[in-house]
Amino acid sequence: TQLLEQSPQFLSIQEGENLTVYCNSSSVFSSLQWYRQEPGEGPVLLVTVVTGGEVKKLKRLTFQFGDARKDSSLHITAAQPGDTGLYLCAGAGRTGGYQKVTFGTGTKLQVIP
Amino acid sequence: ETGVTQTPRHLVMGMTNKKSLKCEQHLGHNAMYWYKQSAKKPLELMFVYSLEERVENNSVPSRFSPECPNSSHLFLHLHTLQPEDSALYLCASSQSSSGGFVNEQFFGPGTRLTVL
Repeated sequence: TQLLEQSPQFLSIQEGENLTVYCNSSSVFSSLQWYRQEPGEGPVLLVTVVTGGEVKKLKRLTFQFGDARKDSSLHITAAQPGDTGLYLCAGAGRTGGYQKVTFGTGTKLQVIP
Repeated sequence: ETGVTQTPRHLVMGMTNKKSLKCEQHLGHNAMYWYKQSAKKPLELMFVYSLEERVENNSVPSRFSPECPNSSHLFLHLHTLQPEDSALYLCASSQSSSGGFVNEQFFGPGTRLTVL
């Protein structure tokens, strides 16, 4: 069974601070996705990283895929209250002709104004 | 609005009831998924339908019965559930391509289920 551990589980910070969320696995994934889920809604995809060592930026969010494609990190610069939510990493791959996504344990972020 | 709708949004049922959750996607996707999200566990994949055929059943108890009558609709039929089945049930859809790239899954808002 593929398992994706995220750390920290919970994070409460002041507006303007920086933070990093980690996603680690013993399995290799063909790609890794990051989702954000807000209360009362389903997860929404933020980014997909495919190549080992790849770095992608989405405004104040920076995503990195580990060289061995087993881990990833999400760094947020100058966090805003609108960044509050549950952040989920997900290892993605293809099985028998369809895609399968294994979700991580999640990091709940609260940004206090 | 993600293009995936779920009804009902909230459901309270007794252990002897029979109910169904409905999911509809307006995105023209060819794959649909049921996930369970509970407080103390990661998001768990339950069932996958690809081109209206069930391709994965992740050891889900038989009291959960999925149905996919066409590529736009997905149901989850529930009967004789247990209190530990209380959770948020999320539906998702995606367009599976023949290449190696894994496409985005679009999620509905979920059904919050409480089993008394």
